[in-house]
Amino acid sequence: EVQLVESGGGWVQPGGSLRLSCAASGFIFTSYGMSWVRQAPGEGLEWVAVISIRDDRTYYADSVKGRFTISRDNSKNTVYLQMNSLRAEDTATYYCAKGGDGGSWYKYWGQGTLVIVSS
Amino acid sequence: DIQMTQSPSSLSASVGDRVTITCRARQSINYYLAWYQQKPGKVPKLLIYAASTLQSGVPSRFSGSGSGTDFTLTISSLQPEDVATYYCQKYDDDPLTFGAGTKVEIK
Repeated sequence: EVQLVESGGGWVQPGGSLRLSCAASGFIFTSYGMSWVRQAPGEGLEWVAVISIRDDRTYYADSVKGRFTISRDNSKNTVYLQMNSLRAEDTATYYCAKGGDGGSWYKYWGQGTLVIVSS
Repeated sequence: DIQMTQSPSSLSASVGDRVTITCRARQSINYYLAWYQQKPGKVPKLLIYAASTLQSGVPSRFSGSGSGTDFTLTISSLQPEDVATYYCQKYDDDPLTFGAGTKVEIK
């Protein structure tokens, strides 16, 4: 059974940093790209970042480019999202999602971790 | 960046009605489009990928069509359990944009 378990969310002041983790199990981690998707309270889904199988390609939404970094540790079956220079508008539930066979569509999602950026 | 324009933003229909949601890309994304259903307080659920491939376990009343720039999600006979917000997502290339969502309610 595929499982994605996020951790690391919480409250942080504007300008602060936070690192989210997503522990994956139940599939061959090294065979799939992984993504982060977020959802602000009462709002729609916003794709944040994706990392390829071998970690040689990463892509980001314009809203987080230069502030967020996605990475993966294939030895730990874990994907990370390092978030720096956080802003109030980054407040959201952050979901980890597993890419599909042949594309970044998402059958499997974690339960999400809430990040609140506020003074 | 290719924006995804989803319409309508909300709709209200009766049980048994045929419901259609559209998603339009500003330039061709071939067939690289997925549809998701999200119920309040729940994680999004994949319905369709590759524009028209029904994810295993999804009821057959859901179907997807289109290619290039114009796509459609159809619910052939709306059921009470279909009350949710529906999102399209392009995945041809970075950025992997979601549409703004369509909230579906029962009349």
